[in-house]
Amino acid sequence: AQSVTQPDIHITVSEGASLELRCNYSYGATPYLFWYVQSPGQGLQLLLKYFSGDTLVQGIKGFEAEFKRSQSSFNLRKPSVHWSDAAEYFCAVGPPGYQKVTFGIGTKLQVIP
Amino acid sequence: DAGVIQSPRHEVTEMGQEVTLRCKPISGHDYLFWYRQTMMRGLELLIYFNNNVPIDDSGMPEDRFSAKMPNASFSTLKIQPSEPRDSAVYFCASSPPPGQGASYEQYFGPGTRLTVT
Repeated sequence: AQSVTQPDIHITVSEGASLELRCNYSYGATPYLFWYVQSPGQGLQLLLKYFSGDTLVQGIKGFEAEFKRSQSSFNLRKPSVHWSDAAEYFCAVGPPGYQKVTFGIGTKLQVIP
Repeated sequence: DAGVIQSPRHEVTEMGQEVTLRCKPISGHDYLFWYRQTMMRGLELLIYFNNNVPIDDSGMPEDRFSAKMPNASFSTLKIQPSEPRDSAVYFCASSPPPGQGASYEQYFGPGTRLTVT
C-alpha cells in the first residue's frame, strides 16, 4: 500500500519570500501524485497533479512541483508567497489508474507581513 | 456548475441520535467519495462509489456508519447511533470518469461539521 509523509506540520514564511513544502511518498513504482490546498472552512482544491512525463509540473495560483524519483519526493514550490496563500496544503498519492488516493497529514502555512 | 453540494453545513446532535449527511456530486462525475477530517487523524477516506456502486468501504469505522448512493446525483452518509468521537468534518468529493482531462482529480464539497454532544 502507498503512504505519504509531510514532515512539516506548520511553516511560517514572510510575504514575498519563496516557499517549499515537502512531500515524500512510499510506493513500489511511480504513483499518481497530487497537491491540494484547503482554506479555512472550505473543502480541498486541486493545485496540481503528476502522472508521468516532465517532472516539473505547473499548477494554479503560481505553484509548481517537482517529482524526484530518486528521492521519492514531490515538493511544492512557489517563488513569492502572497498573504492569500495562507492555508493548509495536502500532498496525496495513489496507484496509477486507480481513484483511491492517500492524503498526507497536511502542512499549515502561515504568511506574515 | 455549482460544484459539489453538501448539506447540512453544520450539525449538532446528542449522543445516540441518528445523523444523515447528504451530498450532490458534480453532474457527469461517476466517482463519489466520503472523507472524514479530524485534527488527530487527518483526512481519512471512508468509502467511495463508482456509478452508484460502493467500491471500497474499508475505511468505514464500524457498523454504525452506512453510506448509500441511490442515483448518480445523490448520496447519504448515515451514523446511527452517533457518538461524541464521531465529531469531525465530513467531506464529499466527486471525480470524472477516466479518460477525461480532469481524470483522477477530486472536487470537494464545503464539508459538514458534525458535533455530537
